[in-house]
Amino acid sequence: NAGVTQTPKFQVLKTGQSMTLQCAQDMNHNSMYWYRQDPGMGLRLIYYSASEGTTDKGEVPNGYNVSRLNKREFSLRLESAAPSQTSVYFCASMAARGPLGGYTFGSGTRLTVV
Amino acid sequence: DAKTTQPTSMDCAEGRAANLPCNHSTISGNEYVYWYRQIHSQGPQYIIHGLKNNETNEMASLIITEDRKSSTLILPHATLRDTAVYYCIVLNRDDKIIFGKGTRLHILP
Repeated sequence: NAGVTQTPKFQVLKTGQSMTLQCAQDMNHNSMYWYRQDPGMGLRLIYYSASEGTTDKGEVPNGYNVSRLNKREFSLRLESAAPSQTSVYFCASMAARGPLGGYTFGSGTRLTVV
Repeated sequence: DAKTTQPTSMDCAEGRAANLPCNHSTISGNEYVYWYRQIHSQGPQYIIHGLKNNETNEMASLIITEDRKSSTLILPHATLRDTAVYYCIVLNRDDKIIFGKGTRLHILP
């Protein structure tokens, strides 16, 4: 099915370890986004990419890096994981700038840092 | 910061219409109102969006006041599966969705 695919679905890391969360969309969308959602809280924007080759910071970028590898893929990297980064991470994509498109979200990656 | 204000929670009886209000008093002329919902542990799901006219699709209706400072999402016949957190969002110029806390809607059997 067309949509946004996130891998892995679950991950446990030790403090200080690094990892990359993968996101891919097969809808030929231009914009892609990474959000985090802490328990009982709303979603907060980490980074986004308005088009291939560009990335920008969102509300909570510290401790993360991103790569827009190509139009399909947008990865999120934790260089040195901290317990405060325990969260559910959602990737999203959007077809077009502005109101013509809506966001499509992936099913999330549940990350625990111990 | 989110540009919208929503009640923290609401209850609605199953089979009745659920009316979810949203205030967006600082909305600009070219900004759209979007509604999303998030069912427990899942990614947010797009519901509907509008500029100034009322909109309807297979999921819901969106009523926007003439001054565009507030809107109401209407689920015409709520079911238990509509229990979720509903987010009202004003899409800013660079298209980043900034989520507020949303309204937690409980559908009561």
